Parts: sequence; C-alpha cells; structure tokens
Amino acid sequence: RKEVEQDPGPFNVPEGATVAFNCTYSNSASQSFFWYRQDCRKEPKLLMSVYSSGNEDGRFTAQLNRASQYISLLIRDSKLSDSATYLCAVNNAGNMLTFGGGTRLMVKP
Amino acid sequence: EAQVTQNPRYLITVTGKKLTVTCSQNMNHEYMSWYRQDPGLGLRQIYYSMNVEVTDKGDVPEGYKVSRKEKRNFPLILESPSPNQTSLYFCASRPGWGTQETQYFGPGTRLLVL
Repeated sequence: RKEVEQDPGPFNVPEGATVAFNCTYSNSASQSFFWYRQDCRKEPKLLMSVYSSGNEDGRFTAQLNRASQYISLLIRDSKLSDSATYLCAVNNAGNMLTFGGGTRLMVKP
Repeated sequence: EAQVTQNPRYLITVTGKKLTVTCSQNMNHEYMSWYRQDPGLGLRQIYYSMNVEVTDKGDVPEGYKVSRKEKRNFPLILESPSPNQTSLYFCASRPGWGTQETQYFGPGTRLLVL
C-alpha cells in the first residue's frame, strides 16, 4: 500500500460546480499535511496547509480526519483556472515530505 | 525575488555521460531536497539535506549523488546516467526541517537519457 494515495481522476466538472478530493495516508504518526497545485508539468506550488480544525481560503476548504487518516480539499464555484493537478503531501516525524500521485481536475465551460 | 533556480531546464544526454543539475536558493533555507516525477508514480524524493555537509537518502537514491558544500546550493549528480533516469526533476527548499515548514520548488529540469 502506498504511503499517500489519491484518486488520479480526471475529475471533469462544469464551471461553478463544487468538487471534493480525498487523500489517504497510512502513517498514523503523520504530523502535518498540505495541498499543492501543479499546472501542466510545472513545479508544484503550495495551495494550503491543512490544520486539525480545518481551514478555509476563499473558495477552498481543507479538512483533516485523523481517525480515518485522510485529508480532503473542497473547491466551491469552480473556475476554468482551477484546472490543474492537486497533490496532497504528508510530513511524518522524520524529515521527508511524501506526496500522493495527484488528482487531475478539468473544469469545463 | 525569493526563488529556487535549477539549471539546465532541459537536457538530452546519452547513457553513461556524467551530468550535474544545479540547484540554488536565495532564501537562506536550511533544508533542500531533490525529487523526480514520473507518470503514475508521482513525486519521489531522491536525496535531502538538512544543512551544509548533511545529506541523506530519500526513497529513490540509487544512481544519484548530491553534495551540500554551501547553504544555497544543492547539485544533483548522475555519474553514469541510464535511460530509466529519464524524468522530470525538481529541487525544493524549506526554511528548516520542522514538520510545519512550507516547501518551495524550483521550475524543474526535464532530462532525457538516450
């Protein structure tokens, strides 16, 4: 089983839709969690950190469920510009940030 | 401008010809690392460094070397490249090695080994 897993998609949604991605992790000792956005083979860029209490940044909401060992990303009112690959990343007690394989989102007009 | 830079951005080489991909950051970050990204396999860490002269293996270190003689630079060395090292490579840095630190990526180096 991979340490961090994501549904690769693609998720094809119309503009204005709400879409949610999940990411599961296997190490219960994982300490911090992040969502990154990656455009077409460019470098990943941090979208948001994921806190235990959940956090929101505009149309984006991230949640953490430690009991079930997953994090989620909710995007409301999808825009064409949201089309990208979304990577979750998990940092364990060690020094390595482990990434999921990414979920591809395509927002259509 | 705070950034991580990599050179070259694109490289085509032949099996066995030694190459170095440079990485430099101007943010005085302690922690630097190298990843490779392959379809279906995602981002996998090759090596990382917690500070000058301190390096350690990531998930896929075979066939690679690194050095950290200066804080700002973290070159990736392929002594004898093979076709299975054809990939997209990213250098990354973060301020420290605490688990909450945000990581910043360079623009990537596309390597093709013939």
